[in-house]
Amino acid sequence: GIQVEQSPPDLILQEGANSTLRCNFSDSVNNLQWFHQNPWGQLINLFYIPSGTKQNGRLSATTVATERYSLLYISSSQTTDSGVYFCAVELTTGGFKTIFGAGTRLFVKA
Amino acid sequence: GAGVSQSPSNKVTEKGKDVELRCDPISGHTALYWYRQSLGQGLEFLIYFQGNSAPDKSGLPSDRFSAERTGGSVSTLTIQRTQQEDSAVYLCASSHTWDQPQHFGDGTRLSIL
Repeated sequence: GIQVEQSPPDLILQEGANSTLRCNFSDSVNNLQWFHQNPWGQLINLFYIPSGTKQNGRLSATTVATERYSLLYISSSQTTDSGVYFCAVELTTGGFKTIFGAGTRLFVKA
Repeated sequence: GAGVSQSPSNKVTEKGKDVELRCDPISGHTALYWYRQSLGQGLEFLIYFQGNSAPDKSGLPSDRFSAERTGGSVSTLTIQRTQQEDSAVYLCASSHTWDQPQHFGDGTRLSIL
């Protein structure tokens, strides 16, 4: 089956720093989403981005579907950015599935 | 409007008992998804509904798990004869259609003693 790999697995930042999170996938996908899971376990949809680039405030994401990767950029990080960032790909071949990566655990220090 | 609502928020039960988890999606969302997240792990996809129909049930972990959705709205996930390895947070999401962003509920934390 398809593999979804995220890197780095863990990341510690000083408040104000920038970072790039990566998601690689091993096969063609229909859609890709980025989620943030906060320390209380709530999952928030950040981007729905099967291709191209989107920006939302200090966050932006780029997916290059032909090369099978997506990047999530966090600029001027804040302590509230802490949590786990997941990418998830959607497949419709052989039935619908959403496959999540293992996540990048981010801790932003004040 | 209201987000995805899941109940109960917590459930503790004895091994061997049956449990029923409920998900009330965002109004108007035709697609509904169930996931399981074990402690410190990523999300495991269980099943997807388009309307009342679940075209593929192969993601359900065993035949003790079943899910249904009636009236194109509320869905229930039922686990029969629960085992300790069923302990996890069960998350539900919904979206307008399958190719739209998924919005998650707060989950049901299930503990099997």
